[in-house]
Amino acid sequence: DAKTTQPNSMESNEEEPVHLPCNHSTISGTDYIHWYRQLPSQGPEYVIHGLTSNVNNRMASLAIAEDRKSSTLILHRATLRDAAVYYCILRVRGNYGQNFVFGPGTRLSVLP
Amino acid sequence: GAGVSQSPSNKVTEKGKDVELRCDPISGHTALYWYRQSLGQGLEFLIYFQGNSAPDKSGLPSDRFSAERTGGSVSTLTIQRTQQEDSAVYLCASSPGTRNTGELFFGEGSRLTVL
Repeated sequence: DAKTTQPNSMESNEEEPVHLPCNHSTISGTDYIHWYRQLPSQGPEYVIHGLTSNVNNRMASLAIAEDRKSSTLILHRATLRDAAVYYCILRVRGNYGQNFVFGPGTRLSVLP
Repeated sequence: GAGVSQSPSNKVTEKGKDVELRCDPISGHTALYWYRQSLGQGLEFLIYFQGNSAPDKSGLPSDRFSAERTGGSVSTLTIQRTQQEDSAVYLCASSPGTRNTGELFFGEGSRLTVL
């Protein structure tokens, strides 16, 4: 299985940018990089995804390394509501379809 | 409803009993996933459906676990002879289909406690 590696936890101050790193050195050429987050007592929610180019949406930006072996989720201005576990996932293609393999994620704490 | 619906939201059962957890995906979504999340842990993949068939059951932890999907819509996860280690939040997610590159939509989960 294609795996990702993330720091266990990170801290940020409110209203400051946050850069959440993810390593995926075994990524295949057709694998998409997805980011989800899970707020306390809720199911995960989609944040952003990309393949090769950097991506921006209303929630965040995704910066993908040129060799695609790592990526960084950027929250431009952290709020208290952004405190969550952030999962970096590879959308793995295989003969059996497309299961998303979740690692342990990064627990982000936002300090007021 | 607009989102993925799971029921029951909470279930407390005695060791050895059978339980059924239900997932109602977003209308039109052909792909459906079940995950399990133990307290303080990440998500553990259980099974994936494309339509009514399950091309990947590799995550089911034992033969006490089974799942089915009917009409390409509702899915039921059944745990027979529950054990205390089955206690977890069971999450269901749906996605439009194999050709999309988009996201999974998760339900709120069913919290199972086995006494």
